[in-house]
Amino acid sequence: AQTVTQSQPEMSVQEAETVTLSCTYDTSENNYYLFWYKQPPSRQMILVIRQEAYKQQNATENRFSVNFQKAAKSFSLKISDSQLGDTAMYFCAFVPGSQGNLIFGKGTKLSVKP
Amino acid sequence: GAVVSQHPSRVICKSGTSVKIECRSLDFQATTMFWYRQFPKKSLMLMATSNEGSKATYEQGVEKDKFLINHASLTLSTLTVTSAHPEDSSFYICSASLKTDTQYFGPGTRLTVL
Repeated sequence: AQTVTQSQPEMSVQEAETVTLSCTYDTSENNYYLFWYKQPPSRQMILVIRQEAYKQQNATENRFSVNFQKAAKSFSLKISDSQLGDTAMYFCAFVPGSQGNLIFGKGTKLSVKP
Repeated sequence: GAVVSQHPSRVICKSGTSVKIECRSLDFQATTMFWYRQFPKKSLMLMATSNEGSKATYEQGVEKDKFLINHASLTLSTLTVTSAHPEDSSFYICSASLKTDTQYFGPGTRLTVL
C-alpha cells in the first residue's frame, strides 16, 4: 500500500524560530514526486515545495527546505525564520510515477506564536 | 502562473436540489482535473479524476450518479451534486495539472444543504 504518515498532528513555534515537520511515506515505485502543501485558514491549498525522487539534492524555496532521505523514505520540511503567516495545516503528499493521484498525509497543524 | 479558480465559493441549497460547481484553470490548459472532498480538520479525499473529453474516473465508494463530473474543455471541469442531501454538506476542492506530477488547487467551495 502507498501511504504517507505525518506523525505530528499539531506543532507550535515562536515567530522567527525554525521548525521541522516530519513525513514518512511508503511506496514500491522507484520514480515519484514529493510535495508539501500548505492550507491556511482560508482553506486554499498552496504548493510549498516539490521534490523529484531521482534528484539527490534537497529542494529549497526561500525559507522552506526539505530533508529528503530516499532510503529511509523520509521527507521532512524545515521552515526557517517562522512568520505568523506560516500558521496553517501542512500536508505532505506524493505522486507515484510521473503522473497520477496525489496521496496525502493527515496533516500537521502548525501555529506560529508571536 | 498556475492559477485555478472555483465558483461559487459558498453555496446553500435546499435538500433535493442540484448544485453545480465550476473549476477553471486560468492561465494554463489542464489535461487532468481532480475533485476532492474535505471534512473538517481532515485531509483531502479524492472523489474523481477527469480528463478532457473523456469520462471521469471515480474513486471507490463515490457515487457517479450522485456526483456528476464534466470536463468539457482544457480549462473547465464541473461537479454537479444531484439531489443534494444534508450529508453532502462539505468543502469541495478541485485541482488541475498539465501532463505533470504537480497539481494546483482551487480555493474550494463550501456546500451547505439544508
